[in-house]
Amino acid sequence: QVQLQESGPGLVKPSETLSLTCTVSGTPVSSGSYLWTWIRQPPGKGLEWIGYIYYSGNSNNNPSLKGRVTMSVDTSKNQFSLNLSSVTDADTAVYYCARFLVGNSYFDYCGQGTLVTVSS
Amino acid sequence: QSALTQPPSASGSPGQSVTISCTGTSSDVGGYNSVSWYQQHPGKAPKVMIYEVSKRPSGVPDRFSGSKSGNTASMTVSGLQAEDEADYYCCSYAGSNNFVFGTGTKVTVL
Repeated sequence: QVQLQESGPGLVKPSETLSLTCTVSGTPVSSGSYLWTWIRQPPGKGLEWIGYIYYSGNSNNNPSLKGRVTMSVDTSKNQFSLNLSSVTDADTAVYYCARFLVGNSYFDYCGQGTLVTVSS
Repeated sequence: QSALTQPPSASGSPGQSVTISCTGTSSDVGGYNSVSWYQQHPGKAPKVMIYEVSKRPSGVPDRFSGSKSGNTASMTVSGLQAEDEADYYCCSYAGSNNFVFGTGTKVTVL
C-alpha cells in the first residue's frame, strides 16, 4: 500500500534552514501522474500549501514564502525533500508530505506529519 | 494568495445536515473545477472527502456531497454521525500551478 513518511530534525534554530525528507513506498516518485507536495499546519491553525515537485524536478511553491523554499526529488531512493531557509518562529508547524493526483486534482495520501519547532 | 474563507464553526445534531461554505475569487474557486475538501481529526493527517467540486473518492460515504456556485464552493454532510466531528478544509487550484487552502471549519455534532 502507499505510504509516505516525513523525517528530519524536530528543532531548528532561527535563521537556519529547515530540511525534511519524505520517504515514499508503494508508489514510484518517478511517475508523471503525481505532484509530490509539502503542506504545513502551525499549532492550532489551518493548513497551508507549501509547494510541490514533479518527478522531472520541476517545482513550484507558495509565493508567500518569498523564495525561501527549495525542493528536490531522488528517484533512486524514492524520496523527495524540502528545504526552507531563514526560518523564524512563524515556521513552527506540523509538516506533511503528500501525493497529489494530477488527473483528479486532490491529495490522496499524506504522511503522518512531523512537528518542527523553530527555537534557539 | 489569500486563504479561502470558511466559517470557523458549524454544528448539527445526529441525523441532521450541515453545510460548509468556501469562498474565494474568480482566480481560484470560481475559475476552476479543482476544489477538494479534507477532513482532519485531531492529531491526524487530512483525508480527502470530495474532489473536483462534487466527486467522492472510493470509500467516502455518500452522506458527503459538494457543489459550487460562482466563487463559493460548499460541502454538505447529511445524516450527521458522531465520527463526522472534525475540522474540514477546502482547497482550490489558484492558477499558475499554485494551490490554496481554506481557513478551516470545525464541525461539532451536538
